[in-house]
Amino acid sequence: QQQVRQSPQSLTVWEGETAILNCSYEDSTFDYFPWYWQFPRESPALLIAIRPVSNKKEDGRFTIFFNKREKKLSLHITDSQPGDSATYFCAASEGGYKLTFGTGTSLLVDP
Amino acid sequence: GALVYQYPRRTICKSGTSMRMECQAVGFQATSVAWYRQSPQKTFELIALSTVNSAIKYEQNFTQEKFPISHPNLSFSSMTVLNAYLEDRGLYLCGAREGGKDTQYFGPGTRLLVL
Repeated sequence: QQQVRQSPQSLTVWEGETAILNCSYEDSTFDYFPWYWQFPRESPALLIAIRPVSNKKEDGRFTIFFNKREKKLSLHITDSQPGDSATYFCAASEGGYKLTFGTGTSLLVDP
Repeated sequence: GALVYQYPRRTICKSGTSMRMECQAVGFQATSVAWYRQSPQKTFELIALSTVNSAIKYEQNFTQEKFPISHPNLSFSSMTVLNAYLEDRGLYLCGAREGGKDTQYFGPGTRLLVL
């Protein structure tokens, strides 16, 4: 059973548009939700993270919206740039020790 | 800043042989180290979680007999893939975290190819 789900599997947006990446989870004990991005042939790097005490976390053009009741969260990338093209992984953990990753969303930003 | 190094970055081994990969944390104390595998076209699977002064916990489908791990101090961990076969190929990532802090830092990974 996939504990963390992501959609869509792939997404293409035009430069300047807002990209919305979705994530949902099963385990209500998860208390830490980081998003990682991964460029081809590189390891994943932490992009932004949120804890359930907040329903929104913003860092520049990247914003996480969190709905604890529905066990859903989304990553919004405003004013998308070609350099944002990457695979984005939503992850979840309890206590931060071991991460459960989603299957990823491949984002392509067309110039 | 916090950095995680992994080596080798890429390795090729013959089917049935073993290879060892290492993970080095620099700039912080790696209280816990998690090893993941990203198989081709798949997401990251957690292999095991190692916390200093605690037993190493392996996830379902992964065993100590196949993936023995050493975590002797707060800056180093190693994992060996024993009797590697085609299904073991992939990118092996080390994620290190300092106790009491949220962020897990990943190394660049060791890419394993099995012939």
